[in-house]
Amino acid sequence: AQSVTQPDIHITVSEGASLELRCNYSYGATPYLFWYVQSPGQGLQLLLKYFSGDTLVQGIKGFEAEFKRSQSSFNLRKPSVHWSDAAEYFCAVGSNYKLTFGKGTLLTVNP
Amino acid sequence: DAMVIQNPRYQVTQFGKPVTLSCSQTLNHNVMYWYQQKSSQAPKLLFHYYDKDFNNEADTPDNFQSRRPNTSFCFLDIRSPGLGDAAMYLCATSREEGWNGYTFGSGTRLTVV
Repeated sequence: AQSVTQPDIHITVSEGASLELRCNYSYGATPYLFWYVQSPGQGLQLLLKYFSGDTLVQGIKGFEAEFKRSQSSFNLRKPSVHWSDAAEYFCAVGSNYKLTFGKGTLLTVNP
Repeated sequence: DAMVIQNPRYQVTQFGKPVTLSCSQTLNHNVMYWYQQKSSQAPKLLFHYYDKDFNNEADTPDNFQSRRPNTSFCFLDIRSPGLGDAAMYLCATSREEGWNGYTFGSGTRLTVV
């Protein structure tokens, strides 16, 4: 069965600092991988996805993620964080038209 | 704009009183999903419809039911809500062909009193 691990429950960064959110997955075949962001009381918005091809994918809001098969990882990065990036971030793996989510990482941004 | 709409955004219901949450979509996607997300937890899939075919997750309680009268609408029925059913309920859609992930609605926050 597929699974997703987000090792960091809560991360705090200063505005303007770089960010990396970790995600490890378990899946037998080539995975479909996603990052979603959720602001308080809102639904989930897709940041980016990886299906195949270039292992560095660009998303919205200046985010990018790198797929590393050897490490079973799909870490999310942003070079300079803005206060509006404060939210919860979910990594997910998809198969058979279903998504399995990690438990999320809550991002706090200090001014 | 094509989208997924959930109504209401906030729902308060009494313990044991049946409640229905609704979801509509203008994307013409053939798959619709219901997820339950409790506070500070990952969304958990309850069930999904592939066209008219209903697919229940093995661990979804019998208290939760769903209806999909047509392509555009899908309903989540909770027959006898308990305090433990208080959560955010997220509807999502996807297209089977050329699967591209989900499009989520904004969710319905259910409070049970």
